[in-house]
Amino acid sequence: EAGVTQFPSHSVIEKGQTVTLRCDPISGHDNLYWYRRVMGKEIKFLLHFVKESKQDESGMPNNRFLAERTGGTYSTLKVQPAELEDSGVYFCASSPGQVLGPASWAQYFGPGTRLLVL
Amino acid sequence: AQTVTQSQPEMSVQEAETVTLSCTYDTSESDYYLFWYKQPPSRQMILVIRQEAYKQQNATENRFSVNFQKAAKSFSLKISDSQLGDAAMYFCAYRFKAAGNKLTFGGGTRVLVKP
Repeated sequence: EAGVTQFPSHSVIEKGQTVTLRCDPISGHDNLYWYRRVMGKEIKFLLHFVKESKQDESGMPNNRFLAERTGGTYSTLKVQPAELEDSGVYFCASSPGQVLGPASWAQYFGPGTRLLVL
Repeated sequence: AQTVTQSQPEMSVQEAETVTLSCTYDTSESDYYLFWYKQPPSRQMILVIRQEAYKQQNATENRFSVNFQKAAKSFSLKISDSQLGDAAMYFCAYRFKAAGNKLTFGGGTRVLVKP
C-alpha cells in the first residue's frame, strides 16, 4: 500500500512569489490534515479535510494560505504571496474515516515539503 | 489551549542501553489520547505508541513503553535495548477526543544512538 506522498520535496522561492504544495493521501482515507513546522518550533496543525470539506481550519495562519481538496482525493496548499516567516516544513497526514476504534486513531504522515522563502 | 512540552532537545544513548524521553502536557480535559511519533532522518514520521487517557495500564510496543502519569500530566517514552535504527526525532503529541482529530505536538527530542 502506498503511503502519503508530498510534492515537491523541497521548494525555494522568493518573497512575494506563489508556491503550491501537493499531498496525495493513502487511497481511501477520508481524513486529510496539513501541519507545518517552522524552524525551531513545534509542529502546528493547519487544517483538516473530511473528504472535500474543510472540517477544521483553525490553524491556518492568514488568508495568504489556501487549501483545497477537490473530489476528496489529493489536496493542495497554496501560499500567495509567500513571506519569509512561511519557511518551514509542511507535513500532510491522512487517516481512515468512519472507522471506529484504534484504526481511526493513527495519522499517517508524508515526508513533508521543505519550503524556503528568501 | 493545550500545550505539550518536551524538555530535552537531545538525548544520547549507547547501543543496547535504555533511554527515557520526557513529555508533559497541559490540559483541563479528561478524555484524550497521547502519542509518540518517530521521524528518522530524511524520512517520514511514523507512530510509535499511543495511550488512551482513561486507561491506567501503560502502553507497550516491543522495546517501546510509556510511563503515563495522568495526575502529573506526564507521558514519558522508554526505549529499551536501543538500536542504531532508533536514532531519530521523537515527537510527543496530544489529541483531545472531542476536538476532532488534530494533534498538538511537542517540540521534539533528537535521539542519538552511539555504537
